[in-house]
Amino acid sequence: GAVVSQHPSWVICKSGTSVKIECRSLDFQATTMFWYRQFPKQSLMLMATSNEGSKATYEQGVEKDKFLINHASLTLSTLTVTSAHPEDSSFYICSAPGVGGYEQYFGPGTRLTVT
Amino acid sequence: AQSVTQLDSHVSVSEGTPVLLRCNYSSSYSPSLFWYVQHPNKGLQLLLKYTSAATLVKGINGFEAEFKKSETSFHLTKPSAHMSDAAEYFCVVSEVGSNYQLIWGAGTKLIIKP
Repeated sequence: GAVVSQHPSWVICKSGTSVKIECRSLDFQATTMFWYRQFPKQSLMLMATSNEGSKATYEQGVEKDKFLINHASLTLSTLTVTSAHPEDSSFYICSAPGVGGYEQYFGPGTRLTVT
Repeated sequence: AQSVTQLDSHVSVSEGTPVLLRCNYSSSYSPSLFWYVQHPNKGLQLLLKYTSAATLVKGINGFEAEFKKSETSFHLTKPSAHMSDAAEYFCVVSEVGSNYQLIWGAGTKLIIKP
């Protein structure tokens, strides 16, 4: 089956620094990937749609200058949290649709803690 | 507009008894519907999906769900709960033409009592 990986699985950073999270489709190509964040005991919130070779589409209320998304190849999308603050601490998950788009494959998530 | 409502934030059942997790949706067109499970500190796992084929869908680990268009429901069931079923369950809808975007329910925490 299709596999999506994320790296790192967890990261701790200091307030004011930037953190990059990678999302890779390991055995299939993904022209579209999705980035979610999940707060404890809550559902997933779609942050943005990452499009290979073009700008990402951000959901309302998500700061595009703070959450930089780059989808430079058909197998890699990156999310950079710039000037991180403690309130950015969360679980970040990426996904990519499979053939036909009926099913999405999720990465294992990245837990970000900003101190 | 699409939306998903999971009617219970928590469901508690005894081991060996049936499980019912309720989900209602609204959709303008023919939706695809999914149930995902998330165990503590783990990634999301697809339990089952409905994509306009048979209305009774069987998934992994003994779970199944029935798509009822007249009731706009897609409830998840299992005949006999195991302790390992304790997790968070999400009902999700996707529409044709939505650029593959998923609409997520708020989740239902399934608690299994020994």
